[in-house]
Amino acid sequence: QITLKESGPTLVKPTQTLTLTCTFSGFSLRTSGVGVGWIRQPPGQALEWLALIDWTDTKRYSPSLKSRLTITQDTSKTQVVLTMTNMDPVDTATYFCAHSFVATSFFDFWGQGTLVTVSS
Amino acid sequence: DIQMTQSPSTLSASVRDRVTITCRASQSISSWLAWYQQKPGKAPKLLIYEASSLEGGVPSRFSGSGSGTEFTLTISSLQPNDFATYYCQQYDTYPLTFGGGTKVQIK
Repeated sequence: QITLKESGPTLVKPTQTLTLTCTFSGFSLRTSGVGVGWIRQPPGQALEWLALIDWTDTKRYSPSLKSRLTITQDTSKTQVVLTMTNMDPVDTATYFCAHSFVATSFFDFWGQGTLVTVSS
Repeated sequence: DIQMTQSPSTLSASVRDRVTITCRASQSISSWLAWYQQKPGKAPKLLIYEASSLEGGVPSRFSGSGSGTEFTLTISSLQPNDFATYYCQQYDTYPLTFGGGTKVQIK
């Protein structure tokens, strides 16, 4: 059974760096074809893809946010970490991590999401 | 980036209605399209991938069609549990992009 869960701060101040952790089970990032992505959703708005890391450690980023994002994996702990620098109130959103097969890159299993508010 | 445009943005329907949602891509994405259902406060749930393949466990009243730039999600007989927001997502090309969503509400 595949599960994912996001963790991290619920409140960050403008200009701070956000670090979110996705802890997963039921699959391994050592398995060929597997990837983990991050997607966010501002309140009342649509989904926005942020980043994805795959079993080869290839990393892909949204071009509009690439300069602010870093995605890494820790295979021994079955975790994927996303950092986003220089946070702004417009980055207030629910952040989801999700499982995909990289050959296709749709997301078949999702975490519950974590709401991050950016405010001073 | 490939832009995904959904229509309508809101749809009012009754139980047992046939519902169709459209998703248009700004360039051809072959059949590399997924549909998700999202309820308030919950994560999206995968319904359909590769434009028309039903994810395991999803009721057969959901179906998808299309290729190239125009796609549809059809609910053949709307059930109370289907009132939700639906999103399309293209995975032909990075960056991955989602449509703006279609909210299906009770008429």
